[in-house]
Amino acid sequence: NAGVTQTPKFQVLKTGQSMTLQCAQDMNHNSMYWYRQDPGMGLRLIYYSASEGTTDKGEVPNGYNVSRLNKREFSLRLESAAPSQTSVYFCASSELAGVAKNIQYFGAGTRLSVL
Amino acid sequence: AQSVTQLDSHVSVSEGTPVLLRCNYSSSYSPSLFWYVQHPNKGLQLLLKYTSAATLVKGINGFEAEFKKSETSFHLTKPSAHMSDAAEYFCVVSGSNTGTASKLTFGTGTRLQVTL
Repeated sequence: NAGVTQTPKFQVLKTGQSMTLQCAQDMNHNSMYWYRQDPGMGLRLIYYSASEGTTDKGEVPNGYNVSRLNKREFSLRLESAAPSQTSVYFCASSELAGVAKNIQYFGAGTRLSVL
Repeated sequence: AQSVTQLDSHVSVSEGTPVLLRCNYSSSYSPSLFWYVQHPNKGLQLLLKYTSAATLVKGINGFEAEFKKSETSFHLTKPSAHMSDAAEYFCVVSGSNTGTASKLTFGTGTRLQVTL
């Protein structure tokens, strides 16, 4: 009954360091997403993957890269972290079938601080 | 294009009194609308969804929302607030599909405070 699992839960980086945020889902969903959440701004889409083998930019992709490793896993990489990337990052997934494809299920989030 | 406006950034109610969280939307498509709840330091949980069926939608924990196309609104209500309802609530619109992925547009959130 895991749903969407994100690791790590917390991370502190220094400016210029790199890291990868991991996300896995066990619901056999086709589509996966990465969002960032900043105070007073709701969630903003960074990248998404409509299906295995495809990725596309969202609203705020600069400074990030993604990899859809397989159907279950979708990772987000910060190559050279900047203080502006301090945020809470959420991974989500959704099915591919009728209106259900619009329901996204979220992980618990990764809280990232860049000093 | 689509957008969501949550009219109140913060709402405070007493336990046992009604809750009203207001949301207006704009969409070029026939929208799907959602309310998500986020408890402190937790992920987002779906409360309810509207997908062009009944305009009055019932969700979990006694919440419901009414889709009003003429007013482009989707307000969230609950007859009687409970302390455990204290959280951040997000109104979300989905109406644009690229391939097989759906794109969600989030409101900026309403923080609900429940007092004794």
